Parts: sequence; C-alpha cells; structure tokens
Amino acid sequence: DVKVTQSSRYLVKRTGEKVFLECVQDMDHENMFWYRQDPGLGLRLIYFSYDVKMKEKGDIPEGYSVSREKKERFSLILESASTNQTSMYLCASMGDGGETQYFGPGTRLLVL
Amino acid sequence: LAKTTQPISMDSYEGQEVNITCSHNNIATNDYITWYQQFPSQGPRFIIQGYKTKVTNEVASLFIPADRKSSTLSLPRVSLSDTAVYYCLVVTYSGAGSYQLTFGKGTKLSVIP
Repeated sequence: DVKVTQSSRYLVKRTGEKVFLECVQDMDHENMFWYRQDPGLGLRLIYFSYDVKMKEKGDIPEGYSVSREKKERFSLILESASTNQTSMYLCASMGDGGETQYFGPGTRLLVL
Repeated sequence: LAKTTQPISMDSYEGQEVNITCSHNNIATNDYITWYQQFPSQGPRFIIQGYKTKVTNEVASLFIPADRKSSTLSLPRVSLSDTAVYYCLVVTYSGAGSYQLTFGKGTKLSVIP
C-alpha cells in the first residue's frame, strides 16, 4: 500500500519562527510536491521536485523554500513564518509520466 | 495551460447516481485527468484517472468526450459516507521533469438521507 507521511498533523508557531515541514514517501517516486489548501482557494502548488536536489517553483513560492537531499524526503521551509501562512499543507508524490499523485494526511499550521 | 472549472457544490439523496463535471477547455494532447476525494482534515484520495472515453473502477466511472474539453465523474448510488469535496486535476507533462498541475477548486457533495 502506498504511503506518504508528514511529520506533524497540527503545528502552532509564532510569527518570525523558522518552520520545517517534512514529508516522506515509500514508493520510490521521483516527483514530490508541496501544496497549501485554503477555504475557497482549493489546492495551490508551492514547490515541486522531480529529482534529488532539484526543485521547481509552483504557483505561490514566495515565503517558502524546499529541500530534497534524499529521494524519499521533501521538506518545506518557512524561513520566517507569518500569519498569512496559516494554512493546511499537503505533500504528494508521483511517479514519472504524470500519472497518479498520492497525498499525505496534511499538516494544519497555525501561525500566531 | 489547462484551466479547470467545477461546480462549487451539489446535493444528492442517498441511493442516487451523482455526476460531477469538470471543464478543461485548454487540455493538451498528452494530459491526463484525475479525480480525487477529500474528507475534512485529510489529504485528497485518488478515485479514478482517464485519458479518453470511459474508465470504470470499483468506486466510480469517468466519462471523457472525444474533444476532451470536459470530464464527468459518476458515483453510482451514493451513500452518506460519500459526502466530501471532489477535485479534478489535469496534469501536463512537458518532459525533463517539467509538470503543470491544474486543480479545480473542488465540488462539495452533500448526500442527504
């Protein structure tokens, strides 16, 4: 059974803190993605990675960075968290060829 | 870049068939169409994927007309547990690790007893 896990289900941070969200997949997928999901806006792509150490900006990369040192792990970093980054963050992975994305359970982040 | 449009919400009674349509007018030749189901506080779950004509699995059917500018997810005999948000996704693969992913805004399906 495919599995994408995220390090935290719920997280509370203060404005200005550095925040790390971790995602791990066990399917040996080349591609991994970070989205944020907000009411009325659906899922918006922040960054994705198609290989180790490779990354591409999505639709809303501002205020975020990513790291992919190992194939199975993709980290989303908020260098200095702000209240407008309060959201649900979803990680996904996908094999080559643009087929099915598998999602993690999500991390609900609250920035105070 | 394919833009996707779905109805914001739909209501249905238990036991009825539900059809949710997604418009993707600018879909490219090699793009696949995927549908996901999402419950509150959970990640989206894959339901079905197709390229053209009709695809059926144990959960749903997906109808894609010849021009591929829309797709319809069909859920047979819905139950209360099918109450969720349904998203369509168009994936454009441009080669060399380049993807464009276009999610619809989601359709909130409410199943009424």
